[in-house]
Amino acid sequence: GQQVMQIPQYQHVQEGEDFTTYCNSSTTLSNIQWYKQRPGGHPVFLIQLVKSGEVKKQKRLTFQFGEAKKNSSLHITATQTTDVGTYFCAGRIGGSYIPTFGRGTSLIVHP
Amino acid sequence: DSGVTQTPKHLITATGQRVTLRCSPRSGDLSVYWYQQSLDQGLQFLIQYYNGEERAKGNILERFSAQQFPDLHSELNLSSLELGDSALYFCASTPRLARNTGELFFGEGSRLTVL
Repeated sequence: GQQVMQIPQYQHVQEGEDFTTYCNSSTTLSNIQWYKQRPGGHPVFLIQLVKSGEVKKQKRLTFQFGEAKKNSSLHITATQTTDVGTYFCAGRIGGSYIPTFGRGTSLIVHP
Repeated sequence: DSGVTQTPKHLITATGQRVTLRCSPRSGDLSVYWYQQSLDQGLQFLIQYYNGEERAKGNILERFSAQQFPDLHSELNLSSLELGDSALYFCASTPRLARNTGELFFGEGSRLTVL
């Protein structure tokens, strides 16, 4: 079925390095959301992007939505140990009400 | 605290058994979603209810069923359990049904272990 692909699956970084996770769909997304799940926790909403080419920033986090609304990325500048967790993108494909989640990228930050 | 309550937090049972997972959405939220999270499959959408009615079905097995009650709480019933059903089951809620509805508010999940 329709899927939202997310890469990489895992990313190890040294504290202070940057991190990026990418999300791709073969079908146009009506919007894309990003969630963070800490180890042992539940997904927590970070942001939603709706417009083509939209860029939003939250402190060290930068979120982008592609011009074709088929891809998105999350970039973290100068990672900290508090950034550890799994980052999920979730896109609404076409006219669906249901967010389809990517498999997530697990970020491991080494002090 | 998201305001979504799930019980039980942990459940250990045997193959062939049946369990019921319960979810109370945030106060005022009409829409409830169930997701299954396993190590190799990420977050898989199972089923969605809105104001007591089933609105969307995902990869939900025939052995699984769900309902949303008049007080808006929801239950996910898993029967004839298999080892592969071991997973974390999340409930999430949103205020309404809309294509550009905002965030999903997730509960803390129910971890099911089938032995």
